[in-house]
Amino acid sequence: QSALTQPASVSGSPGQSITISCTGTSSDVGAYNYVSWYQQHPGKAPKLLIYEVSNRPSGVSNRFSGSKSGNTASLTISGLQAEDEADYYCSSYTGISTFVFGTGTKVTV
Amino acid sequence: QLQLQESGPGLVKPSETLSLTCSVSGGSISSSSYYWGWIRQPPGEGLEWVGSIYYSGSTYYNPSLKSRVTISVDTSKNQFSLELSSVTAADTALYYCARHSSMRTGVFAPWGQGTLVTVSS
Repeated sequence: QSALTQPASVSGSPGQSITISCTGTSSDVGAYNYVSWYQQHPGKAPKLLIYEVSNRPSGVSNRFSGSKSGNTASLTISGLQAEDEADYYCSSYTGISTFVFGTGTKVTV
Repeated sequence: QLQLQESGPGLVKPSETLSLTCSVSGGSISSSSYYWGWIRQPPGEGLEWVGSIYYSGSTYYNPSLKSRVTISVDTSKNQFSLELSSVTAADTALYYCARHSSMRTGVFAPWGQGTLVTVSS
């Protein structure tokens, strides 16, 4: 059960859009629409941003959106703001009642 | 509002057993709609799912840790616990507990604040 692959870092200017990829296999990301995304600020617990590939929980800004194509899921942050500077993690169901997280991406604004 | 709080020793000796408890407030751990999980994060590294439990006692573990992990639930105290045996320095991490939906969707929310466990003699 290997971690999903994310870029180590992504950067952008305020107001721009950035996309973070999350690459798995045909046994996890590619097999199920059960990909979630989490935001983690330094010293804080992760916070759910996206679930089931593209759904936003109430209270999460619509600047965050998710999608999936094949074995790769993506998180897009539009209208980048200083407060978006954080670490981002994807996760996926892997079958047989197990989960795997991504390697994490540091977003710099 | 549901809140989770981890507790337990911050220092464990190598080869011993790490024991943590997650106390749930603002909701019942016996809810049929949710599962309860442990996730850990070594310092400066990424997240790793450790395992989860349903209020009935059904457990689900990360295959890479399965031989050393035991998760249990105490519905009378609205708590669930983690035991990790034969620990090494590689088990040093911030340990989080979290509620999640089914064992397929895996939507972890909310999370506890986390507790740091250091494995050292």
